[in-house]
Amino acid sequence: ETGVTQTPRHLVMGMTNKKSLKCEQHLGHNAMYWYKQSAKKPLELMFVYNFKEQTENNSVPSRFSPECPNSSHLFLHLHTLQPEDSALYLCASSLSWGADNEQFFGPGTRLTVL
Amino acid sequence: KQEVTQIPAALSVPEGENLVLNCSFTDSAIYNLQWFRQDPGKGLTSLLLIQSSQREQTSGRLNASLDKSSGRSTLYIAASQPGDSATYLCAVKAGANSKLTFGKGITLSVRP
Repeated sequence: ETGVTQTPRHLVMGMTNKKSLKCEQHLGHNAMYWYKQSAKKPLELMFVYNFKEQTENNSVPSRFSPECPNSSHLFLHLHTLQPEDSALYLCASSLSWGADNEQFFGPGTRLTVL
Repeated sequence: KQEVTQIPAALSVPEGENLVLNCSFTDSAIYNLQWFRQDPGKGLTSLLLIQSSQREQTSGRLNASLDKSSGRSTLYIAASQPGDSATYLCAVKAGANSKLTFGKGITLSVRP
């Protein structure tokens, strides 16, 4: 595997379920990001981890819980979601947070909350 | 609060046409501006990055320009091809350690 991978690619869940999204990067980067892409809205940054430390939380509801056990892996734990949380969730990584470090994106997880 | 606008939301052109995609932003105090491409069902790919001190960047058939004072950037695609069909997103960064603020994107369709 190369680049940034995300699993699962598609997920359908009920509002009472608990699920997790996984992201893995094979680029030797130290920063990882979660973005949300909703229909008809701009891409929104949710969380940033730099060297495993959370550096950004963009006022995300607590029903989204990120975890970064090491620089290569990033998780997004989901619980008691709402239908409006249905969106494409994109993971990205970069050499480190800030400056001109280019972000490399994964293919995304298409989440549908029923 | 920075806002990035891309109009129109969708564009359809015949193959071979030269085209310009527009991006405008409300706060001219930016660190850099990037253009991305997103194919259906896939993540984003960075196309060009323009620093605030630069006026343009070129890569192959793509040329991006930046006019900070007017809050505008354009992405010029020369001799468009069906393979250029995708959504093109513009994003600005306020500072070195700031997040990217994205536009909603322009979905381009190049007809054979």
